[in-house]
Amino acid sequence: KNEVEQSPQNLTAQEGEFITINCSYSVGISALHWLQQHPGGGIVSLFMLSSGKKKHGRLIATINIQEKHSSLHITASHPRDSAVYICAVDSNTGNQFYFGTGTSLTVIP
Amino acid sequence: ETGVTQTPRHLVMGMTNKKSLKCEQHLGHNAMYWYKQSAKKPLELMFVYNFKEQTENNSVPSRFSPECPNSSHLFLHLHTLQPEDSALYLCASSQGYVGSNNEQFFGPGTRLTVL
Repeated sequence: KNEVEQSPQNLTAQEGEFITINCSYSVGISALHWLQQHPGGGIVSLFMLSSGKKKHGRLIATINIQEKHSSLHITASHPRDSAVYICAVDSNTGNQFYFGTGTSLTVIP
Repeated sequence: ETGVTQTPRHLVMGMTNKKSLKCEQHLGHNAMYWYKQSAKKPLELMFVYNFKEQTENNSVPSRFSPECPNSSHLFLHLHTLQPEDSALYLCASSQGYVGSNNEQFFGPGTRLTVL
């Protein structure tokens, strides 16, 4: 079983829809990261958070440490949001970094 | 542009070839990483260098050989690879060591195909 689980694995949405991607983890963490990977491979860090909520433009990330759960929300989705979104965590023991398998998002015009 | 570059972007090699992947970061970071990304699997951390010293080697076969001549450059030397080594190889860097709440910056990756 992977230390980081994401859902859904695949998601198709109409342009303008509100999107939620979920991440659950089973290890103690010092920080959680949301990453975006576009076709072609490059990965960009969207958020790093250890508590509460962060917002950047149309993207919002939340984390509940007690429940070991994080969500990434995209408001007013756009076709350019189509990408794979990856959740990753910094373990607070042993200098480990764990990745989820990613959620593939397609936003249709 | 993340400040991390990788060359080549695509590489096709035979199982008897020797090739090298190159990564360069222009961010003044102290830690650099090699990851392997195979289809439908999470990113796998292969090697970590912190201040040019290798600190992690996650049971990677010896046909993969890393080299970090300075804190800005990282190489992955490849020899006698297997077809199952075909994957996207990503380089990343961070100011501090992984696990210390440091954001990682990723390169665009090298798509490797082993025939």
